[in-house]
Amino acid sequence: GQQVMQIPQYQHVQEGEDFTTYCNSSTTLSNIQWYKQRPGGHPVFLIQLVKSGEVKKQKRLTFQFGEAKKNSSLHITATQTTDVGTYFCAGNPYNTDKLIFGTGTRLQVFP
Amino acid sequence: DTEVTQTPKHLVMGMTNKKSLKCEQHMGHRAMYWYKQKAKKPPELMFVYSYEKLSINESVPSRFSPECPNSSLLNLHLHALQPEDSALYLCASSQALGREISDTQYFGPGTRLTVL
Repeated sequence: GQQVMQIPQYQHVQEGEDFTTYCNSSTTLSNIQWYKQRPGGHPVFLIQLVKSGEVKKQKRLTFQFGEAKKNSSLHITATQTTDVGTYFCAGNPYNTDKLIFGTGTRLQVFP
Repeated sequence: DTEVTQTPKHLVMGMTNKKSLKCEQHMGHRAMYWYKQKAKKPPELMFVYSYEKLSINESVPSRFSPECPNSSLLNLHLHALQPEDSALYLCASSQALGREISDTQYFGPGTRLTVL
């Protein structure tokens, strides 16, 4: 079946260090979305990428969508303790209405 | 208002109980979703409603029964659950289905269900 894998599964960093999570889909996606889920919370939408090779920035966060529309990445510059949580990518394979969530990367930031 | 509300926040039930989870949104969204999330796992899609009609059922056991009474409300009726059904149940909504580019999904805070 369709799978979306993320690596790493878990990462802990010192505050101020950078962090990257990678998202890989077994099928081509029409778009990719990123969500953040704080501990004990629910997924909150961060951004959507649609075009092949697209790059978007939100303050310290940089999102990329691969040229083949099968992978994506999220890079956080100079992490802060407020960045703690699990980051999920989620994509729609073409011709489906289902949003398939990636396996998630849990980020821990130590002060 | 970009809020999706869910009640109750926590629910403990026995295997013989019947209970219902409720979800409400007032954003005018016409697609609503139920997800199940186990600890340290991604949300798993259960059901999707589009314009109050069931559009997707991800082969969910019949002990879970969804209902969409109107465009703002979504219920999940629970009966004869098993302990392995304990999880966080998330409701979400989006503008519509069937678009070339999918819409953002707005998630509710979830109901944390424990089945004894």
